[in-house]
Amino acid sequence: RKEVEQDPGPFNVPEGATVAFNCTYSNSASQSFFWYRQDCRKEPKLLMSVYSSGNEDGRFTAQLNRASQYISLLIRDSKLSDSATYLCVVGHNDMRFGAGTRLTVKP
Amino acid sequence: NAGVTQTPKFRILKIGQSMTLQCTQDMNHNYMYWYRQDPGMGLKLIYYSVGAGITDKGEVPNGYNVSRSTTEDFPLRLELAAPSQTSVYFCASTGTSGIADTQYFGPGTRLTVL
Repeated sequence: RKEVEQDPGPFNVPEGATVAFNCTYSNSASQSFFWYRQDCRKEPKLLMSVYSSGNEDGRFTAQLNRASQYISLLIRDSKLSDSATYLCVVGHNDMRFGAGTRLTVKP
Repeated sequence: NAGVTQTPKFRILKIGQSMTLQCTQDMNHNYMYWYRQDPGMGLKLIYYSVGAGITDKGEVPNGYNVSRSTTEDFPLRLELAAPSQTSVYFCASTGTSGIADTQYFGPGTRLTVL
């Protein structure tokens, strides 16, 4: 089993749609959780950290379920500019990345 | 404030050649990382460092070496390059709070081994 697994995608959605990404992790001792965004041929950049209580940043909502070892990212009212690959990242003694889920938002 | 810088941006190597990928950060971060990303795949951790003089292996360390003589620099050495090392290499750093901090990435080095 991979340490961090994500929905394989790709997701192709129209503008304005709501889309959800899921991620599971295998190390129950993991301490930190993030969603990163990676545009084509660019470096990953932090989208948001994920806290146990859940957190929201504008149209983006992240949730963590430690018991199920599961993280989610919800994007509401999708924009064309949201098109990217979304990476789930889990940290313990080091950081482990999921393979990413590609999102394409179409007009 | 330049953040994390990497050189070179692109490189083509022949099988068996060696090279060093340079990484420098100017944020006084303790933690530094080297990743590789193969086409259509996620990032795989090669090596990481929790401070000057301390390095440790990640998921895919074979064929690579690192050193951390200063806080700022974390070079990655490829000895005897192989086609399987064709990839994009990213260097990253996190702040003094350690693993729980945001990772800041350099722009990457695209390496092709022929």
